[in-house]
Amino acid sequence: QKEVEQDPGPLSVPEGAIVSLNCTYSNSAFQYFMWYRQYSRKGPELLMYTYSSGNKEDGRFTAQVDKSSKYISLFIRDSQPSDSATYLCAMSPSGNTPLVFGKGTRLSVIA
Amino acid sequence: GAVVSQHPSRVICKSGTSVKIECRSLDFQATTMFWYRQFPKQSLMLMATSNEGSKATYEQGVEKDKFLINHASLTLSTLTVTSAHPEDSSFYICSAEDREKLFFGSGTQLSVL
Repeated sequence: QKEVEQDPGPLSVPEGAIVSLNCTYSNSAFQYFMWYRQYSRKGPELLMYTYSSGNKEDGRFTAQVDKSSKYISLFIRDSQPSDSATYLCAMSPSGNTPLVFGKGTRLSVIA
Repeated sequence: GAVVSQHPSRVICKSGTSVKIECRSLDFQATTMFWYRQFPKQSLMLMATSNEGSKATYEQGVEKDKFLINHASLTLSTLTVTSAHPEDSSFYICSAEDREKLFFGSGTQLSVL
C-alpha cells in the first residue's frame, strides 16, 4: 500500500459545480496536510495548509482532515474554468521532513 | 506566501553538456531546499534535500555525481545536471521551506537532444 493514495482522475465538472478531491494515507504519524494546485508546466502553488484534524476555509476552498479515518478532502465551491489544474495532496509527520505527495488529480471545469 | 524563484524556466542542450538550474528564496531565508523531478502526468519525485553549508542528502536511486547540488547561502541552491543525456529530460522543480510550509519554484523544463 502506498503511503498516500489519490485518484488521478481526470475529473470533469461543469462551471459552478462543487468539486470534492480526496486523499487517503496509511502513516498515522502524518500531522501536516497540504493541498497544492499545479497548472501545466508550472510549479505547484500552495492552496491550503492544515495541522492535525479539522476544517479550514479560505474563500471558495475548504480543506478537511479526518485523522481517525486517515482521509483528507479539498472542496471547491462555485468552480471556475480557471480552477482547471492538477491538485496534489501532500503531508508529513513534522514541519522539517520532506512532504509525501499524492499522484495528483487532474480537474477540468467546463464553461 | 513566500516566493521561490527558479531559473531558467526552459533549457535545451546537447547530449554530454552540463546544465545548471538556480533556485532562490526571494523574501525569506531557507536553510533547507528540496529538488524534485516530475515526468509528464506523474507526481513529484523527491531527488534530494539541500542543506545550507553541508552536503545534500540524495534519495535512493538518484546519482550524486550526475545531479550536483550546492547550497552555498541561505537564499540560493543550485542543481547541476552533469553530462546530460536524453533520459535526463524532465521537469525539475525546487522548493524551499518557510515556517513549516513548502513553497515551489516555477520549474525548469530540461530537454536534452
